[in-house]
Amino acid sequence: AQSVTQLDSHVSVSEGTPVLLRCNYSSSYSPSLFWYVQHPNKGLQLLLKYTSAATLVKGINGFEAEFKKSETSFHLTKPSAHMSDAAEYFCVVSDGGGADGLTFGKGTHLIIQP
Amino acid sequence: DAGVIQSPRHEVTEMGQEVTLRCKPISGHNSLFWYRQTMMRGLELLIYFNNNVPIDDSGMPEDRFSAKMPNASFSTLKIQPSEPRDSAVYFCASSLGAGSGWGLHFGPGTRLTVT
Repeated sequence: AQSVTQLDSHVSVSEGTPVLLRCNYSSSYSPSLFWYVQHPNKGLQLLLKYTSAATLVKGINGFEAEFKKSETSFHLTKPSAHMSDAAEYFCVVSDGGGADGLTFGKGTHLIIQP
Repeated sequence: DAGVIQSPRHEVTEMGQEVTLRCKPISGHNSLFWYRQTMMRGLELLIYFNNNVPIDDSGMPEDRFSAKMPNASFSTLKIQPSEPRDSAVYFCASSLGAGSGWGLHFGPGTRLTVT
């Protein structure tokens, strides 16, 4: 069994300040982990993925995430927030099996204050 | 690449009517997924195809829902008859491989409203 917990339903930061979106997971396997972003009225877009290579993963738009097995975490960060980063972010864990074995977190709504 | 294409983008229909949602996956992708997104339940996987064959339809809520993939470039999700509780955003996604490490490419979604 696997699960994913996004620790914050809403995060609000000022433009130009760092972003931290937290995700913890549990998995019986060596998991693959993903972050997706969903802008209003849009589909989900893959930001980055971890699949047992380097533990620090760089994604699009300046985002990165670090896989920490000891903490079962995969937090998403960005050094400096931009207004265009305002969106819903989903952390996703896979069970290493078929592509239907993805478990989505409930999402974190990122608000950027001007 | 045009990405995953879905049509229509918006659909408003009356209870009891048939609704057909359409999806064109990314060329070369051999896995296709239908998801439903609501505020109450978040993202739910409805059905998953691999090489045009339905692999897992355990998420299809009722017999009113059916999905087909007649070829590698087209899939439909049909609801007959539709009910107000079917109102949601329906996403189609495709993936290059059958394994879960590939990641999904989502379409823009179809916003369905059943009155």
